[in-house]
Amino acid sequence: EDQVTQSPEALRLQEGESSSLNCSYTVSGLRGLFWYRQDPGKGPEFLFTLYSAGEEKEKERLKATLTKKESFLHITAPKPEDSATYLCAVYSSASKIIFGSGTRLSIRP
Amino acid sequence: GAVVSQHPSRVICKSGTSVKIECRSLDFQATTMFWYRQFPKKSLMLMATSNEGSKATYEQGVEKDKFLINHASLTLSTLTVTSAHPEDSSFYICSAVAGPGNTIYFGEGSWLTVV
Repeated sequence: EDQVTQSPEALRLQEGESSSLNCSYTVSGLRGLFWYRQDPGKGPEFLFTLYSAGEEKEKERLKATLTKKESFLHITAPKPEDSATYLCAVYSSASKIIFGSGTRLSIRP
Repeated sequence: GAVVSQHPSRVICKSGTSVKIECRSLDFQATTMFWYRQFPKKSLMLMATSNEGSKATYEQGVEKDKFLINHASLTLSTLTVTSAHPEDSSFYICSAVAGPGNTIYFGEGSWLTVV
């Protein structure tokens, strides 16, 4: 059964304190793994798509990596404006999209 | 980047009436769109997959006669909540697949309140 699990459920960091969010997945044929940022009351904002193990992508303070079983979203020297819920999703070869439950990230000034 | 637009962003309707939410891909064609429902502080729950020119595929537990989905063109999918009840009040979000990279972009969501 296709499944996506994100951890931790919530993460509180001090401004400048780097950390990583995890997304573990099992899927029958991966067409893409996505990371999104969602602010309260808004639709998810696209961050990255990863397609194959070993792939890495970066955008400002964020870096996403992918293995055959999991993806990490590394956040370097975060700022309070990085506070949001980060969602991971996989798009399967069966044209199904499965979301993780998200990680609520809070950055204290 | 690709843009997906949802309309309306907020709607209030009376119990028993129907309401339509539109999802448009503004700068790309989308043969596949998805509709989700999201409860407060919860992740997105996939309701159905909408393919242009064919019937939508509904997830288990989603009433297809209550949540009518139409994907009549490559840039527009609609979700109609029929005979709405207060328990249908929620945040509804659509997304569209932009090929050939299969990146999935989301709309801003629509808040539905049934009174």
